[in-house]
Amino acid sequence: QKEVEQDPGPLSVPEGAIVSLNCTYSNSAFQYFMWYRQYSRKGPELLMYTYSSGNKEDGRFTAQVDKSSKYISLFIRDSQPSDSATYLCAMAGFYGQNFVFGPGTRLSVLP
Amino acid sequence: DTAVSQTPKYLVTQMGNDKSIKCEQNLGHDTMYWYKQDSKKFLKIMFSYNNKELIINETVPNRFSPKSPDKAHLNLHINSLELGDSAVYFCASSQSLGPSYEQYFGPGTRLTVT
Repeated sequence: QKEVEQDPGPLSVPEGAIVSLNCTYSNSAFQYFMWYRQYSRKGPELLMYTYSSGNKEDGRFTAQVDKSSKYISLFIRDSQPSDSATYLCAMAGFYGQNFVFGPGTRLSVLP
Repeated sequence: DTAVSQTPKYLVTQMGNDKSIKCEQNLGHDTMYWYKQDSKKFLKIMFSYNNKELIINETVPNRFSPKSPDKAHLNLHINSLELGDSAVYFCASSQSLGPSYEQYFGPGTRLTVT
């Protein structure tokens, strides 16, 4: 089993849809959970960052962490064509050890 | 102003050559990183460099060596290039070492080894 798994997509949705992106992981030592967005031929940029379990909301984006299930999610409300990108989850242990990215999900929001 | 810059943007070279990729950050950060993103888009950390302490991912071949002339620069030197080294290499920086510090990525260097 890979350390972090993510559906590679591509995921295509109409503009305005609610998007759900997910990652599962196997290492119970992970404490920090992040979502990065990567546009084509660009470097990743941090979207959301969560410590331990719970929810975090920032505008149209909501990150959820369920450590008991080793499952994290990113929800995008009222999706826009400008949200079309690859979304990478990332996670690390309490001291930053084992920093690892998921393989990414490619999202297309169609106008 | 570009926060994290890399040169060159594209690099095409032959097997066996030695090449370097340069990275500079103007954010005043203490920590810099090198990542490799392969054709399947897996992004893997290669090195992190914080206050002259180098942390190496043990899976990285010793043909790869980071060199930091000062806090704002972390260059990547690659010896005896192989076909499997073809990938996009990203430099990143953060205020300090640790997952609670946001990493800022450069635009990437697309390396093609023929």
